Amino acid sequence: DIQMTQSPSSLSASVGDRVTITCRASQVIRTHLAWIQQKPGKAPKSLIYDASSLQSGVPLKFTGSGSGTDFSLTINNLQPEDSATYYCQQYNTFPWTFGQGTKVEIK
Amino acid sequence: EVQLVESGGGLIQPGGSLRLSCVASGFSVNNKYMSWVRQAPGKGLEWVSCVYGGGSTFHADSVKGRFTLSRDNSKNTLSLQMDTLRAEDTAVYYCVDQPWNGGYWGQGILVTVSS
Repeated sequence: DIQMTQSPSSLSASVGDRVTITCRASQVIRTHLAWIQQKPGKAPKSLIYDASSLQSGVPLKFTGSGSGTDFSLTINNLQPEDSATYYCQQYNTFPWTFGQGTKVEIK
Repeated sequence: EVQLVESGGGLIQPGGSLRLSCVASGFSVNNKYMSWVRQAPGKGLEWVSCVYGGGSTFHADSVKGRFTLSRDNSKNTLSLQMDTLRAEDTAVYYCVDQPWNGGYWGQGILVTVSS
């Protein structure tokens, strides 16, 4: 199975900051990577697919990049509503797998 | 409006069976990669099963041989038959659209396996 490793596990940043979360795959997954946001007590929501394509309706403040084994999610102009746990997911090879999550908190 | 609505969860004893359903509206599940993803209490996301193409399925090792996934294109519905349930199957189960060109998630349904 492909292991997905996210870093950091958690971070705390101020309103207006730019934050970056990284995700590393244990094997090459081309650009078959999604980023998912989950707010406390809510269902997850897909933000990005194919490593860098925004889902419909997702604000441009979210940007994804990477290919192969190394990927990143950047959140610009951090706002209180961005407080959530963010997961990466590979869908290159079954079984599809998720990273362990990165909890983003606002100072 | 696109929606995925799960049903069929609840409390079940170890060794028992449950059948989860997911009704899609606003798009067709036909020929899409449709999955179930679960989340144990306080834990991260775990991919469980996927149906794709003409009805092929793939399951995580943790549920292989116990869970069966099917799709009814005429009813735009997915079904997850869960047999021989274990305490570690306790989780919120989400019905999920393929990550590309959609990526929709249902609201989730709780399955509790306990005596």
